[in-house]
Amino acid sequence: NAGVTQTPKFQVLKTGQSMTLQCAQDMNHEYMSWYRQDPGMGLRLIHYSVGAGITDQGEVPNGYNVSRSTTEDFPLRLLSAAPSQTSVYFCASSTLPGGREKNEQFFGPGTRLTVL
Amino acid sequence: AQSVAQPEDQVNVAEGNPLTVKCTYSVSGNPYLFWYVQYPNRGLQFLLKYITGDNLVKGSYGFEAEFNKSQTSFHLKKPSALVSDSALYFCAVRDWAGGYNKLIFGAGTRLAVHP
Repeated sequence: NAGVTQTPKFQVLKTGQSMTLQCAQDMNHEYMSWYRQDPGMGLRLIHYSVGAGITDQGEVPNGYNVSRSTTEDFPLRLLSAAPSQTSVYFCASSTLPGGREKNEQFFGPGTRLTVL
Repeated sequence: AQSVAQPEDQVNVAEGNPLTVKCTYSVSGNPYLFWYVQYPNRGLQFLLKYITGDNLVKGSYGFEAEFNKSQTSFHLKKPSALVSDSALYFCAVRDWAGGYNKLIFGAGTRLAVHP
């Protein structure tokens, strides 16, 4: 299993440009999420999905869109990039919560995004 | 709202000494608490979690964490630190809003283990 994969690893954008960060998992996990990591702020949840066709907002959703057309893929779209979106983005997946099963989240290696 | 706090930005420890990375939490209801580690230029890796049961939870790489309900703490510990333990450590709590697996992370604590 490849686990959670993210592409690209690095990206530089100009203000106003759009792009899509890709995330895929091969563990058949229902739950997938996007976080951004900023110094001194830990990880903050952007959007999450509990299955194909179902998405919802996290703590900091503004400026980002997501979709979940398949179980495996959960792309994050920046429609008009802003310097405030300079960050490291992590995708994560897990089984759905419930009961006492382990269902810890598995994280991808991250995408480092710079918006000029 | 659920939250966790990591009061130390950085912890410095000599190799072979015990280490503690602190975490306190604020939750409504029973807490589900996690520790993750992030090595340079890598994603987060799960270390351990507390849901219920024994207050001392054992995890990966020799780490353990002690859940203390009266002090609302979940400190990460290791009896003998290794230089390779140097990394960024995050405490997290599960947010049950909507019943979904949302994790609320602390700001992180950088652990530096010196030879």
